[in-house]
Parts: sequence; structure tokens; C-alpha cells
Amino acid sequence: DGGITQSPKYLFRKEGQNVTLSCEQNLNHDAMYWYRQDPGQGLRLIYYSQIVNDFQKGDIAEGYSVSREKKESFPLTVTSAQKNPTAFYLCASSADRGMRSGYTFGSGTRLTVV
Amino acid sequence: GQQLNQSPQSMFIQEGEDVSMNCTSSSIFNTWLWYKQDPGEGPVLLIALYKAGELTSNGRLTAQFGITRKDSFLNISASIPSDVGIYFCAGLYGGATNKLIFGTGTLLAVQP
Repeated sequence: DGGITQSPKYLFRKEGQNVTLSCEQNLNHDAMYWYRQDPGQGLRLIYYSQIVNDFQKGDIAEGYSVSREKKESFPLTVTSAQKNPTAFYLCASSADRGMRSGYTFGSGTRLTVV
Repeated sequence: GQQLNQSPQSMFIQEGEDVSMNCTSSSIFNTWLWYKQDPGEGPVLLIALYKAGELTSNGRLTAQFGITRKDSFLNISASIPSDVGIYFCAGLYGGATNKLIFGTGTLLAVQP
């Protein structure tokens, strides 16, 4: 079955450490996205990529980095520069530039800084 | 970043009641989408709307694309406990920007 997989589901990190969240899709989608969700809040866009080897900052990119070396993969690194990294992170992908079918989301990674 | 105005922010209802929520924007959209997010999971697409005035149903869910293209509505009839979750609207401008704009979400709690 085609889908989008995020791993791990839960992640604990010590302050000052970088951590990388994985996102893989086998839907052959061109575009991929990373969102952050805080309790009781909506979705805030961190980074997005519409094609391999290209990506753009979203609304809250500071303290995060991404790469898009393969169409299937869009990993997100939460760096030590991110002041408040504890949150629920969602990865998504979309099929076409018109995006009439919307995004397909992964099941999320909950990151906790301890 | 821009977010759509979604209301109500939360709803606490009894099983069997009907639910209505809406989303408004200062901008015109070409596509409206409604998603549901179960606790601890990613959002799942419920209904997609592509034309002003369009009314679309998916089981007990009905959504409408507003005539002005600046709003959309979602109704849930005869709610059941598994309707619990956060409901998001999303709008698409189209064109070069090509990103969905999400609403702030409506938290729905259903008491059996």
C-alpha cells in the first residue's frame, strides 16, 4: 500500500543535541512538507520542497534544516538552535502542482526535549 | 504565516447531536478541503470542494464551498463518539505559490 511513513513515533532529545526526523513516501509525489503542531494549536509550516534538490523556508524555519536528495525522502533536522523544540511534527506530500487532492499526511513524530 | 479563521475553536456535545463549523478567509480560494485529525495521528482528508456553491457529502458529513469563495462549512449529523478529534479546513489559492493554507482547527468532543 502506498503511503507516507514518519519515524520514530516518539523521540526524546537532550537539550543541545541535534535530532533528525525521518519522512519517506512511496506515493511518487513531487512535493513534500514539514509542519509543527503545538497543543491546542493549528499547523505551522516549517519547510517545503516541490522538487528534488530544492526546498523553501516556511513560516517557522529558524532552528530547523532539511534536505531533499531523493524524491521519496524529506528528513527534518531539529538543531540545538531551535529554542522550543518539544512539539508534534507532521510530514505531508502532495501529488500535483494543482494539489486538488490535497496533502497526504504521515502519522507524526512527537519530539520531547528532556 | 497566514491561517484561516475557523470557528468554533472547540465544541463539547452529546452523542446524536448535529455539529456545524465554518472557515472564513479574506482571500478567494479555488479549492477547499476538510481534514480530521485523531489524537496523536496525522490529519486525514474528509471532503474536497472545487467549485463555488458546491455541496458534497461523505456519509454523515456534508461540506459546502461558499458562493463568495471566501468561506466553507462542514456539518456532521448524528454525532458518534468516534467523531472526536480536531477538524481542519484548508484552502488553496493555486498558481505559483501552491501551498495549502490551514485553518486554526475545531476540537470536537462527543459525550456518549
